[in-house]
Amino acid sequence: KNQVEQSPQSLIILEGKNCTLQCNYTVSPFSNLRWYKQDTGRGPVSLTIMTFSENTKSNGRYTATLDADTKQSSLHITASQLSDSASYICVVSPKTSYDKVIFGPGTSLSVIP
Amino acid sequence: KAGVTQTPRYLIKTRGQQVTLSCSPISGHRSVSWYQQTPGQGLQFLFEYFSETQRNKGNFPGRFSGRQFSNSRSEMNVSTLELGDSALYLCASSLLGGATSYNEQFFGPGTRLTVL
Repeated sequence: KNQVEQSPQSLIILEGKNCTLQCNYTVSPFSNLRWYKQDTGRGPVSLTIMTFSENTKSNGRYTATLDADTKQSSLHITASQLSDSASYICVVSPKTSYDKVIFGPGTSLSVIP
Repeated sequence: KAGVTQTPRYLIKTRGQQVTLSCSPISGHRSVSWYQQTPGQGLQFLFEYFSETQRNKGNFPGRFSGRQFSNSRSEMNVSTLELGDSALYLCASSLLGGATSYNEQFFGPGTRLTVL
């Protein structure tokens, strides 16, 4: 069964610190893996999109990595800011059109001063 | 460029009623996807439309339906509402493809549906 798991479920860090969020998936083969940021009460915003052949993708202070062999992805946030407080969702899209896109449960990040 | 807009933003209905939600994609985008988000199940894919044709469908009952118009605007309909349909309904637009493609998806703010 295709699944996407994320850890930790929630995380609290001090402003200015770095953090890494994890995503483990069983979807195979897959077309792409995405990381989204979702602020409370708003729609998700795309951070990175990677195909199965890409290892890393950066977007400002956000860097996503992908290890297709171990079926793991991580999202590293550098020099966190209060505005980084949000839910971060890992999404894996299967290669075949008849399979459904799978969303992870998300990691809730709180950045405190 | 205007973003994805969804109307209404909030909606309260009672069990057994039906509801229609609307989504206007970013100008020039031809793909619209719909998602349901609940605290218990998280985000789940409902369906995707491209050029007025349903291209992909999630695992939801037939009470959930949708359509897309020639101007790419999309509507989602839920008939015979149940308490469990209470959720945030999000739509996302992309230039050509949905979540299974490499195209970036842009989400709207969502419609918060409460079923009493």
